[in-house]
Amino acid sequence: DAGITQSPRHKVTETGTPVTLRCHQTENHRYMYWYRQDPGHGLRLIHYSYGVKDTDKGEVSDGYSVSRSKTEDFLLTLESATSSQTSVYFCAITQPNNEQFFGPGTRLTVL
Amino acid sequence: DQQVKQNSPSLSVQEGRISILNCDYTNSMFDYFLWYKKYPAEGPTFLISISSIKDKNEDGRFTVFLNKSAKHLSLHIVPSQPGDSAVYFCAARQIQGAQKLVFGQGTRLTINP
Repeated sequence: DAGITQSPRHKVTETGTPVTLRCHQTENHRYMYWYRQDPGHGLRLIHYSYGVKDTDKGEVSDGYSVSRSKTEDFLLTLESATSSQTSVYFCAITQPNNEQFFGPGTRLTVL
Repeated sequence: DQQVKQNSPSLSVQEGRISILNCDYTNSMFDYFLWYKKYPAEGPTFLISISSIKDKNEDGRFTVFLNKSAKHLSLHIVPSQPGDSAVYFCAARQIQGAQKLVFGQGTRLTINP
């Protein structure tokens, strides 16, 4: 299985502040994804990447931006956090067997 | 528009009996379906998958059934064990695109001793 780390694992911040979440993988997988998980909604795709500097929007991309300057790192940025962005954020990669493998998650609270 | 739906938010089953989790989808362009299991404070973990060219896939206690005409899939767990208590998500992948998955809302399965 791929090694995925997410940092930070927990964060509490205030409305209006910028926040960056980091996803790091160790096996040079091409595709990387950011999801958020909320009760009643399952996992929803925020943004994804199909290579270095190649990113695209998912279904809930408003208020979020991403960057991928290296194969192994995929950053998710909330330019100005809002309370509606309180959620658990998961990073994922697609493995060669077509399964998506998920990181441990980051719990973000926006006060 | 919810393309993948799990209409049962929760399910309670007695240990040793069969657990059946259901999932419906609307997009006929989905070609691959997956089930994930999630424990609290952990990321989802892959459980089992099925291609749209098959109608059944079995892996140990877990079997996934696909009914394309009804746009319905189900996950059967038999026999159910206490460690199966978790939230289960079904997911679907579209034929074209960057391997993106669309997830259902999840079903919380509780196995009672």
